[in-house]
Amino acid sequence: DTAVSQTPKYLVTQMGNDKSIKCEQNLGHDTMYWYKQDSKKFLKIMFSYNNKELIINETVPNRFSPKSPDKAHLNLHINSLELGDSAVYFCASSQDPASGSPLHFGNGTRLTVT
Amino acid sequence: EDQVTQSPEALRLQEGESSSLNCSYTVSGLRGLFWYRQDPGKGPEFLFTLYSAGEKKEKERLKATLTKKESFLHITAPKPEDSATYLCAVQGVAAGKSTFGDGTTLTVKP
Repeated sequence: DTAVSQTPKYLVTQMGNDKSIKCEQNLGHDTMYWYKQDSKKFLKIMFSYNNKELIINETVPNRFSPKSPDKAHLNLHINSLELGDSAVYFCASSQDPASGSPLHFGNGTRLTVT
Repeated sequence: EDQVTQSPEALRLQEGESSSLNCSYTVSGLRGLFWYRQDPGKGPEFLFTLYSAGEKKEKERLKATLTKKESFLHITAPKPEDSATYLCAVQGVAAGKSTFGDGTTLTVKP
Protein backbone atom coordinates (compact mmCIF):
# COMPACT_ATOMS: atom_id res chain seq x y z
CA ASP A 1 0.00 0.00 0.00
CA THR A 2 2.68 2.44 -1.11
CA ALA A 3 1.43 6.03 -0.91
CA VAL A 4 3.29 7.47 -3.91
CA SER A 5 4.67 4.97 -6.39
CA GLN A 6 6.65 5.58 -9.54
CA THR A 7 7.87 3.32 -12.29
CA PRO A 8 10.38 2.41 -13.43
CA LYS A 9 12.92 2.68 -10.58
CA TYR A 10 15.83 2.65 -13.02
CA LEU A 11 15.93 3.81 -16.62
CA VAL A 12 19.02 3.51 -18.79
CA THR A 13 18.77 4.77 -22.34
CA GLN A 14 20.72 6.35 -25.15
CA MET A 15 20.80 9.95 -26.25
CA GLY A 16 17.99 10.87 -28.60
CA ASN A 17 15.52 8.32 -27.28
CA ASP A 18 12.09 9.10 -25.84
CA LYS A 19 11.06 7.72 -22.47
CA SER A 20 8.24 8.00 -19.93
CA ILE A 21 8.00 7.80 -16.15
CA LYS A 22 4.71 7.02 -14.43
CA CYS A 23 3.50 8.10 -11.00
CA GLU A 24 0.46 7.19 -8.95
CA GLN A 25 -0.65 8.31 -5.48
CA ASN A 26 -3.32 6.72 -3.29
CA LEU A 27 -3.39 9.46 -0.64
CA GLY A 28 -6.35 11.29 -2.15
CA HIS A 29 -4.25 14.44 -2.63
CA ASP A 30 -5.26 17.04 -5.21
CA THR A 31 -1.76 18.29 -6.04
CA MET A 32 1.07 16.34 -7.64
CA TYR A 33 4.61 17.35 -8.59
CA TRP A 34 7.70 16.36 -10.49
CA TYR A 35 11.06 17.21 -8.90
CA LYS A 36 14.53 16.65 -10.31
CA GLN A 37 17.44 15.79 -8.02
CA ASP A 38 20.91 16.25 -9.43
CA SER A 39 24.12 14.51 -8.43
CA LYS A 40 24.64 17.02 -5.61
CA LYS A 41 21.30 16.06 -4.05
CA PHE A 42 19.68 19.40 -4.92
CA LEU A 43 15.91 19.05 -5.43
CA LYS A 44 14.35 21.39 -7.96
CA ILE A 45 10.69 21.57 -8.88
CA MET A 46 9.79 20.98 -12.52
CA PHE A 47 6.00 20.86 -12.67
CA SER A 48 2.96 20.95 -10.42
CA TYR A 49 -0.59 19.83 -11.18
CA ASN A 50 -3.70 20.50 -9.16
CA ASN A 51 -6.64 18.24 -9.97
CA LYS A 52 -5.31 17.60 -13.50
CA GLU A 53 -4.57 21.27 -14.18
CA LEU A 54 -0.99 22.50 -14.70
CA ILE A 55 -0.24 25.22 -12.15
CA ILE A 56 3.57 25.38 -12.00
CA ASN A 57 5.84 25.01 -14.99
CA GLU A 58 9.40 25.96 -14.11
CA THR A 59 12.01 26.72 -16.74
CA VAL A 60 12.08 23.23 -18.16
CA PRO A 61 12.93 22.38 -21.79
CA ASN A 62 9.94 21.66 -24.02
CA ARG A 63 11.27 18.13 -24.39
CA PHE A 64 9.70 17.43 -21.00
CA SER A 65 5.93 17.05 -21.11
CA PRO A 66 3.87 16.13 -18.06
CA LYS A 67 0.42 14.60 -18.35
CA SER A 68 -2.18 14.08 -15.65
CA PRO A 69 -5.02 11.78 -16.78
CA ASP A 70 -6.68 12.10 -13.35
CA LYS A 71 -5.73 13.59 -10.01
CA ALA A 72 -4.15 10.35 -8.79
CA HIS A 73 -1.76 10.02 -11.72
CA LEU A 74 0.99 12.21 -13.13
CA ASN A 75 3.27 10.99 -15.89
CA LEU A 76 6.39 12.56 -17.36
CA HIS A 77 7.39 12.06 -20.98
CA ILE A 78 10.84 13.11 -22.14
CA ASN A 79 11.69 13.47 -25.83
CA SER A 80 15.12 13.45 -27.43
CA LEU A 81 16.98 12.61 -24.24
CA GLU A 82 20.29 14.38 -23.60
CA LEU A 83 23.24 13.50 -21.35
CA GLY A 84 22.33 16.37 -19.02
CA ASP A 85 18.95 14.81 -18.34
CA SER A 86 20.64 12.13 -16.23
CA ALA A 87 19.33 12.59 -12.69
CA VAL A 88 16.84 11.16 -10.22
CA TYR A 89 13.26 12.24 -10.88
CA PHE A 90 10.86 12.29 -7.95
CA CYS A 91 7.10 12.40 -8.03
CA ALA A 92 5.38 13.91 -5.00
CA SER A 93 1.92 14.85 -3.81
CA SER A 94 0.47 17.16 -1.18
CA GLN A 95 -2.91 17.67 0.44
CA ASP A 96 -3.26 21.45 0.24
CA PRO A 97 -0.23 23.56 -0.72
CA ALA A 98 -2.08 26.75 0.15
CA SER A 99 -2.12 25.76 3.82
CA GLY A 100 1.52 24.63 3.91
CA SER A 101 0.99 20.89 3.57
CA PRO A 102 4.16 18.78 3.32
CA LEU A 103 5.17 16.79 0.28
CA HIS A 104 4.94 13.01 0.10
CA PHE A 105 7.54 11.60 -2.25
CA GLY A 106 7.89 8.45 -4.27
CA ASN A 107 11.21 6.60 -4.24
CA GLY A 108 12.42 8.13 -7.45
CA THR A 109 13.39 7.07 -10.95
CA ARG A 110 17.11 7.10 -11.67
CA LEU A 111 17.53 8.09 -15.30
CA THR A 112 20.89 7.48 -16.94
CA VAL A 113 21.42 8.74 -20.47
CA THR A 114 24.44 7.33 -22.31
CA GLU B 1 12.76 34.44 -4.91
CA ASP B 2 12.71 32.09 -1.92
CA GLN B 3 16.13 30.83 -0.83
CA VAL B 4 17.31 28.11 1.55
CA THR B 5 20.87 27.53 2.73
CA GLN B 6 21.79 24.55 4.88
CA SER B 7 24.94 24.04 6.93
CA PRO B 8 27.10 22.17 7.40
CA GLU B 9 27.16 20.26 4.13
CA ALA B 10 28.30 17.14 5.96
CA LEU B 11 28.43 16.24 9.65
CA ARG B 12 30.13 13.26 11.23
CA LEU B 13 29.24 12.41 14.83
CA GLN B 14 30.04 9.68 17.27
CA GLU B 15 27.05 7.79 18.62
CA GLY B 16 25.65 9.78 21.53
CA GLU B 17 27.29 13.07 20.45
CA SER B 18 24.49 15.67 20.16
CA SER B 19 24.60 18.41 17.55
CA SER B 20 22.49 20.76 15.40
CA LEU B 21 21.87 21.28 11.72
CA ASN B 22 21.14 24.78 10.44
CA CYS B 23 18.71 26.01 7.79
CA SER B 24 18.77 29.71 6.90
CA TYR B 25 16.01 31.01 4.70
CA THR B 26 14.53 34.04 2.99
CA VAL B 27 10.93 33.90 1.90
CA SER B 28 8.16 36.33 1.13
CA GLY B 29 5.41 35.23 3.49
CA LEU B 30 6.15 31.89 5.11
CA ARG B 31 3.49 29.24 4.66
CA GLY B 32 5.65 26.56 6.22
CA LEU B 33 9.19 25.36 6.81
CA PHE B 34 9.69 21.64 6.37
CA TRP B 35 12.32 19.13 7.43
CA TYR B 36 12.74 15.89 5.51
CA ARG B 37 15.01 12.89 5.90
CA GLN B 38 16.38 11.14 2.81
CA ASP B 39 18.03 7.72 2.89
CA PRO B 40 20.15 6.51 -0.06
CA GLY B 41 18.01 5.29 -2.95
CA LYS B 42 14.80 6.59 -1.36
CA GLY B 43 12.60 9.63 -1.65
CA PRO B 44 12.61 12.33 1.05
CA GLU B 45 10.51 11.41 4.07
CA PHE B 46 8.60 14.16 5.87
CA LEU B 47 9.66 14.87 9.46
CA PHE B 48 8.26 18.22 10.62
CA THR B 49 6.41 21.35 9.56
CA LEU B 50 6.99 24.65 11.38
CA TYR B 51 4.67 27.54 10.64
CA SER B 52 5.75 30.48 12.81
CA ALA B 53 8.73 31.82 14.73
CA GLY B 54 9.05 30.30 18.18
CA GLU B 55 7.42 27.06 17.20
CA LYS B 56 9.08 23.76 18.19
CA LYS B 57 8.42 20.16 17.16
CA GLU B 58 9.90 16.95 18.54
CA LYS B 59 10.07 13.37 17.38
CA GLU B 60 12.22 10.81 19.20
CA ARG B 61 15.81 12.18 19.15
CA LEU B 62 14.95 15.06 16.78
CA LYS B 63 13.79 18.53 17.72
CA ALA B 64 13.12 21.31 15.22
CA THR B 65 12.95 25.00 16.09
CA LEU B 66 12.15 28.09 14.03
CA THR B 67 13.07 31.77 14.10
CA LYS B 68 12.27 34.44 11.52
CA LYS B 69 15.50 33.76 9.66
CA GLU B 70 16.52 30.17 10.39
CA SER B 71 15.57 26.77 11.66
CA PHE B 72 17.61 24.28 13.63
CA LEU B 73 17.29 20.53 13.70
CA HIS B 74 18.74 19.32 17.00
CA ILE B 75 19.78 15.70 17.24
CA THR B 76 20.12 14.43 20.80
CA ALA B 77 22.28 11.35 21.49
CA PRO B 78 22.20 10.21 17.86
CA LYS B 79 22.37 6.57 16.83
CA PRO B 80 23.85 5.08 13.63
CA GLU B 81 20.33 4.68 12.24
CA ASP B 82 19.99 8.48 12.26
CA SER B 83 22.56 8.60 9.45
CA ALA B 84 20.87 10.18 6.41
CA THR B 85 20.64 13.40 4.42
CA TYR B 86 18.42 15.97 6.09
CA LEU B 87 16.67 18.43 3.79
CA CYS B 88 15.09 21.74 4.69
CA ALA B 89 12.45 23.39 2.50
CA VAL B 90 10.31 26.51 2.67
CA GLN B 91 7.00 27.25 1.07
CA GLY B 92 6.21 30.90 0.57
CA VAL B 93 2.91 32.56 -0.11
CA ALA B 94 4.12 34.12 -3.36
CA ALA B 95 5.91 31.15 -4.88
CA GLY B 96 3.28 28.51 -4.12
CA LYS B 97 5.91 25.78 -4.17
CA SER B 98 8.54 24.26 -1.89
CA THR B 99 12.12 25.46 -2.31
CA PHE B 100 14.77 23.08 -0.99
CA GLY B 101 18.23 23.56 0.46
CA ASP B 102 21.18 21.39 -0.57
CA GLY B 103 20.87 19.20 2.50
CA THR B 104 23.16 18.10 5.32
CA THR B 105 24.52 14.57 5.15
CA LEU B 106 24.77 13.19 8.67
CA THR B 107 26.93 10.18 9.49
CA VAL B 108 26.78 8.71 12.98
CA LYS B 109 29.57 6.30 13.85
CA PRO B 110 28.99 3.59 16.48
